[in-house]
Amino acid sequence: AQSVTQLGSHVSVSEGALVLLRCNYSSSVPPYLFWYVQYPNQGLQLLLKYTTGATLVKGINGFEAEFKKSETSFHLTKPSAHMSDAAEYFCAVIQTQGGKLIFGQGTELSVKP
Amino acid sequence: GAGVSQSPSNKVTEKGKDVELRCDPISGHTALYWYRQSLGQGLEFLIYFQGNSAPDKSGLPSDRFSAERTGGSVSTLTIQRTQQEDSAVYLCASRPTGQANSPLHFGNGTRLTVT
Repeated sequence: AQSVTQLGSHVSVSEGALVLLRCNYSSSVPPYLFWYVQYPNQGLQLLLKYTTGATLVKGINGFEAEFKKSETSFHLTKPSAHMSDAAEYFCAVIQTQGGKLIFGQGTELSVKP
Repeated sequence: GAGVSQSPSNKVTEKGKDVELRCDPISGHTALYWYRQSLGQGLEFLIYFQGNSAPDKSGLPSDRFSAERTGGSVSTLTIQRTQQEDSAVYLCASRPTGQANSPLHFGNGTRLTVT
């Protein structure tokens, strides 16, 4: 069985500061990993994904994440936060052979001017 | 549009009543998921349909919850004898068959309020 833990339910950063949202996963088989974003009063949309190949993946809006197998982590980063990045972010894991996609509890990102 | 469609968008019901929530997935997507989003609870997996295989019901919280998928397309999530703790946003998502690395496409959800 797989699971996802997101450290920190709320993260607050200043505009222009580094954004770091943490995600650790547990999976008995190689996983595929995803980050989704949910803006206020909107549905979820894909930010980026890791499937195979390069462990550093780039997504939309300047976000990127690095898959570290040794640390079972898939942390999300952005060098410089914008006010428009304020949203809830979800990390998710699925087994490569398919099945259910399991989400973390979510991290709400606030950006201060 | 070609997105995942859910109806109704909002539902208010009295405690003890039954409700049905509907999901129309993207055409050609035979994998369909239901999730529940509650304040402070994140996205809770409920059930997963994959083609003609038996659904994975491991996330349904009680026997008051059930779901079906007719003709491999439209899905209905039914909650019987609703309780106040059932109040949440119920999200449906779909993705192409057999492509575990393809992302889910989410609907906008049904906000259920049980009074």
